[in-house]
Amino acid sequence: SAVISQKPSRDICQRGTSLTIQCQVDSQVTMMFWYRQQPGQSLTLIATANQGSEATYESGFVIDKFPISRPNLTFSTLTVSNMSPEDSSIYLCSVDGGRGSTDTQYFGPGTRLTVL
Amino acid sequence: QKEVEQNSGPLSVPEGAIASLNCTYSDRGSQSFFWYRQYSGKSPELIMSIYSNGDKEDGRFTAQLNKASQYVSLLIRDSQPSDSATYLCAVNPDTGNQFYFGTGTSLTVIP
Repeated sequence: SAVISQKPSRDICQRGTSLTIQCQVDSQVTMMFWYRQQPGQSLTLIATANQGSEATYESGFVIDKFPISRPNLTFSTLTVSNMSPEDSSIYLCSVDGGRGSTDTQYFGPGTRLTVL
Repeated sequence: QKEVEQNSGPLSVPEGAIASLNCTYSDRGSQSFFWYRQYSGKSPELIMSIYSNGDKEDGRFTAQLNKASQYVSLLIRDSQPSDSATYLCAVNPDTGNQFYFGTGTSLTVIP
């Protein structure tokens, strides 16, 4: 499976500011996904990031709040904009399994965000 | 609405016992099924995938799938304290790569 890194691993931010989270993969992948996991909860898909096209957002998530970039097949960013305490969560990047297992997903280590 | 349901637990088993984790899903057309393990404060780790009806074994883990009953389970034999974690069931309804996750079952293996 691919090696996935995320930056930052954690951050504490002030209300009203924005944070950009980076996800880097050590091999080319077709699909990259961004999830949110709130304390004690399961994973909620925010959006699917495809290289060369606009991200596809799930119900309840909008581009103005969570803009996503996917400039190439190994990198993506998620920005959490105009943050409020309700955005405090773990944000996880995942990627498909690559050639031969594109229906599998592997997760990065996550970014723990606290908004004051 | 594509739903994936799991008992939230907590499930406690003694060391050496069999732990049984269950998951049901609502989309009858679902094709791919996965079990992830998540330790506290860590990201989910894929441990099993299953695509066909029946059993699939990998070491101490056995995944069981029954598409007619829309049911998938994970058995952990000879449970160890290191198996203590939350186990997430995930379903891929089609080829679109969108996963739906259950809420997870918390497992504690008591030494």
